[in-house]
Amino acid sequence: ETGVTQTPRHLVMGMTNKKSLKCEQHLGHNAMYWYKQSAKKPLELMFVYSLEERVENNSVPSRFSPECPNSSHLFLHLHTLQPEDSALYLCASSQEERTDTQYFGPGTRLTVL
Amino acid sequence: GNSVTQMEGPVTLSEEAFLTINCTYTATGYPSLFWYVQYPGEGLQLLLKATKADDKGSNKGFEATYRKETTSFHLEKGSVQVSDSAVYFCALIVRAGGTSYGKLTFGQGTILTVHP
Repeated sequence: ETGVTQTPRHLVMGMTNKKSLKCEQHLGHNAMYWYKQSAKKPLELMFVYSLEERVENNSVPSRFSPECPNSSHLFLHLHTLQPEDSALYLCASSQEERTDTQYFGPGTRLTVL
Repeated sequence: GNSVTQMEGPVTLSEEAFLTINCTYTATGYPSLFWYVQYPGEGLQLLLKATKADDKGSNKGFEATYRKETTSFHLEKGSVQVSDSAVYFCALIVRAGGTSYGKLTFGQGTILTVHP
């Protein structure tokens, strides 16, 4: 499998649930990103991991908890979310210090009831 | 700070029409500029990019020229197809000093619908 993959593609959860989003990149990149895409708002950068170290947390509430166990995998752990957290969550990766191009996965469509 | 402004959509065209989607930016430093496209139900795909002034990015018949004097990166295509219907995002990256990663700043996106 090539590129950036995300699972699940769709997720419906209640406000008291705990779930995780998974991202895997097969491109040999060393930086990974989480973005949030809400209706009628520009894409928002949430977290950046470079060389498996979190280097950016863009004022994201603590109910979102990222994890990067290795350079190929990135998780976003979710707990006690709010309905306004419903959005498309996109993962991206890039090879830093060589190119500025980020490659995106297909996203996880999250609905919080 | 950095920002990207795109023309508001939606844009509706007939097949084979000429397309222009305007994009202007403000940035501290020297950005790289991108156009990404998002087809229905999918993630973002890089369409084209330009890394310095006067560079022209091109792909699949789309073109955009990095204009530093007007801080613009307008997307054009001479003859659109129904399959070009998607959301188009203009974006920029400015590397902060000392960092090894880039932070993309996106415009709000422009919905393009092409009718047969």
